[in-house]
Amino acid sequence: KNEVEQSPQNLTAQEGEFITINCSYSVGISALHWLQQHPGGGIVSLFMLSSGKKKHGRLIATINIQEKHSSLHITASHPRDSAVYICAVRSWETSGSRLTFGEGTQLTVNP
Amino acid sequence: GAGVSQSPSNKVTEKGKDVELRCDPISGHTALYWYRQSLGQGLEFLIYFQGNSAPDKSGLPSDRFSAERTGGSVSTLTIQRTQQEDSAVYLCASSFTSEPRDRYYEQYFGPGTRLTVT
Repeated sequence: KNEVEQSPQNLTAQEGEFITINCSYSVGISALHWLQQHPGGGIVSLFMLSSGKKKHGRLIATINIQEKHSSLHITASHPRDSAVYICAVRSWETSGSRLTFGEGTQLTVNP
Repeated sequence: GAGVSQSPSNKVTEKGKDVELRCDPISGHTALYWYRQSLGQGLEFLIYFQGNSAPDKSGLPSDRFSAERTGGSVSTLTIQRTQQEDSAVYLCASSFTSEPRDRYYEQYFGPGTRLTVT
């Protein structure tokens, strides 16, 4: 079993829909990232959080440390949101600040 | 300011040849990471440098892989006697110091080097 599990693997939505991507992890963490990878391969960090909730524009990330679960929400989705969204954690159980990644969620938003 | 840069952006090599991949981190970042993303798979950790400390090499898949970081800045990932299974996108990331444990700084990723072994 992977230390970081994401669901769903693939998600197709219509423009304007509210989207949720889930991430569950099995290790103790000090931080969790949500990353966005565009078709060209570049990776952008969307959020880094260790508790509570963060919001940036139409994106919202929440984390529940007790339940070892995080969600990424996209409100009023747009075709330009189409990308792979990756959850990654920094675990207390590994040295340094290396990240352990989920498999990613491929999001396609149709116009 | 400038982000993390990597070169080359694409590399095609024949099986058995050696390759070198380069990463220029953001100026002032003391931590540097190499990750690999194989086709259809998630990202996996390879190696981590933190200042002058010994690197964490625990993610390197075989002894054909090595990396160094000169002068605490530029890093080179070397793959000797490349195999087809080495084909992947190799990503570099950097951050400010990651110690002590109760502080954690965001990692910034480079654009990656796409390696194809034929």
